[in-house]
Parts: sequence; structure tokens; C-alpha cells
Amino acid sequence: RKEVEQDPGPFNVPEGATVAFNCTYSNSASQSFFWYRQDCRKEPKLLMSVYSSGNEDGRFTAQLNRASQYISLLIRDSKLSDSATYLCVVRGYGGSQGNLIFGKGTKLSVKP
Amino acid sequence: DADVTQTPRNRITKTGKRIMLECSQTKGHDRMYWYRQDPGLGLRLIYYSFDVKDINKGEISDGYSVSRQAQAKFSLSLESAIPNQTALYFCATSDRDRPLGPQHFGDGTRLSIL
Repeated sequence: RKEVEQDPGPFNVPEGATVAFNCTYSNSASQSFFWYRQDCRKEPKLLMSVYSSGNEDGRFTAQLNRASQYISLLIRDSKLSDSATYLCVVRGYGGSQGNLIFGKGTKLSVKP
Repeated sequence: DADVTQTPRNRITKTGKRIMLECSQTKGHDRMYWYRQDPGLGLRLIYYSFDVKDINKGEISDGYSVSRQAQAKFSLSLESAIPNQTALYFCATSDRDRPLGPQHFGDGTRLSIL
């Protein structure tokens, strides 16, 4: 099983749609979780951290399910500017606890 | 000004050449990282450093070396470049006081080895 697994997509949705991405991780001892956004050929940018209680930032909601080892990102009222690749990122545990493990990303394309 | 600056932004060079990619940051973070990104493979960690005297190999360190010249500077060298090192390279930083916090990335260096 890969350490962090995501559906690569692409997800093609119309403006205004609600879209959800899921991500699974293999190490049950993982300690922190993030969603990053990456535009084509640009650097990853932190979208939001993911907390056990779930957290929301405007149109974006992130959820963590430790028992099932998955993380989700919900985007409501999609905008054209949301088109990007969304990276699920998990922090390792133990000797390399400073290290992040990246999923390969899910591509989202929002159409007019 | 960008908090994490990488130079050069683009570089095309030939097989066998020595190349240095530089990263500097104004975030005051102790921890710095070098990653490469290839299509379909995601980001992979090359080297990381938790302070000036600390250097650690990442997942794919073969063929690379690093130097942490100061808290704010972390350089990546390809001693003898080969074509399969063609990739997008990112430097990142994180805050020692937030060991579970996120990393912050530079703009990237696009490197092509011919």
C-alpha cells in the first residue's frame, strides 16, 4: 500500500458545483495532515491543515478520520480559480518526524 | 519579496556538468528541505537540515549533495549532472517551534539536463 494515496482525477466540474477529494494514508502513527494546492509548474501552497475535529475555511472543509486513515477535502461553490492540483500531505512519525509525505495529487478543472 | 527564494528559476545544462541550486529564506526558520518533483511521481525528499550543523539524507539523495551555509541558506549540488535529474526542484522551510506544522515552499527551479 502506498504511503499516501489519492485519486489522480481529473475531476471536471462546472462552476458552482461541490466537489470532494479523498486521500488515504498507510501509517496509523502519522501526526499531522495538510492539503496543499499546486498550480501548473508552480510551488505547492498550503491550503489548510487538517485537524481531528474537522475544520472549515470559507468554501473549503477538511475532515480527518483516524480510524479509517483517510482525509477529505470538500470544496463548495467551485470557482474557475479553484482549478489546480490538490496534494494530500501527511507528516511522518519517528526519526524522520520532520518529513512530509506527499500524495501525487488530484487534478481539478472547473469549467464555466 | 518572496519568503523563500530559489535561484536560478530555470537552468539548462549538459550531462557531466556540476550545478548548484541555491535557496535563501527570510522566514527565520531553522529547518530547510530540498525536494524534486517529476510528472506522475509527486514530490520526493532529497536532503533536509534541521539547523546549520545538521544534514540528513532523504528518500533520493544519490547523486546530490547539500551545504547549509547559514540558517537562511541551503544549497543543493549536482556533482555530475545526468539526464534523469531533469526535474522541478523545490526548497522548503519549516519552523522548529512548530514541529507538526506545515512547510513553506520556494518558487522552484526548473532544471533540464541535456
